[in-house]
Amino acid sequence: QKEVEQNSGPLSVPEGAIASLNCTYSDRGSQSFFWYRQYSGKSPELIMFIYSNGDKEDGRFTAQLNKASQYVSLLIRDSQPSDSATYLCAVNNNDMRFGAGTRLTVKP
Amino acid sequence: DGGITQSPKYLFRKEGQNVTLSCEQNLNHDAMYWYRQDPGQGLRLIYYSQIVNDFQKGDIAEGYSVSREKKESFPLTVTSAQKNPTAFYLCASQWTGVGQPQHFGDGTRLSIL
Repeated sequence: QKEVEQNSGPLSVPEGAIASLNCTYSDRGSQSFFWYRQYSGKSPELIMFIYSNGDKEDGRFTAQLNKASQYVSLLIRDSQPSDSATYLCAVNNNDMRFGAGTRLTVKP
Repeated sequence: DGGITQSPKYLFRKEGQNVTLSCEQNLNHDAMYWYRQDPGQGLRLIYYSQIVNDFQKGDIAEGYSVSREKKESFPLTVTSAQKNPTAFYLCASQWTGVGQPQHFGDGTRLSIL
């Protein structure tokens, strides 16, 4: 079992829709959770982090964490073509573990 | 501007050659990391260092070497023992402690000639 699992996609949504990206992790001791966006050929950039169960909102982005289910998600509201990228989930206990990423395409 | 600088952006390696990838940060971060990314795959940890003059192997350290002589610098050498070096190499740094995010440089793309 992979430590951090994400659907590879591609996930395709129309412009203006909500994109929902999901991530599960195996280490119950994980304490912090991050979402990175990676455009093709570029390096990952941090867009959200969450430490506590529940929702955390930042502009059009909402991170959701459920530690009991070992599940973290990222919602992107009002999706734009510029949101088309690969989204990496990262989970930190004593070290950082990355998922393989979900490729999102937002169609105009 | 604070950040992480990786150089070169593109690098080509000849058969039997060692090459060194540079990573410099001016964020005053304690910890630095090297990852390898292959197409369609996630980030795999090569080496990391949490303090100067100390570093640990990651999941795929074979064929690679590092040094950490200064807090700001964490160069990665891809040795001739690494038979499949073609990949995108990412350097990251962070404050130590749980909950701290990692920040990445722009990466170096290494190819075999």
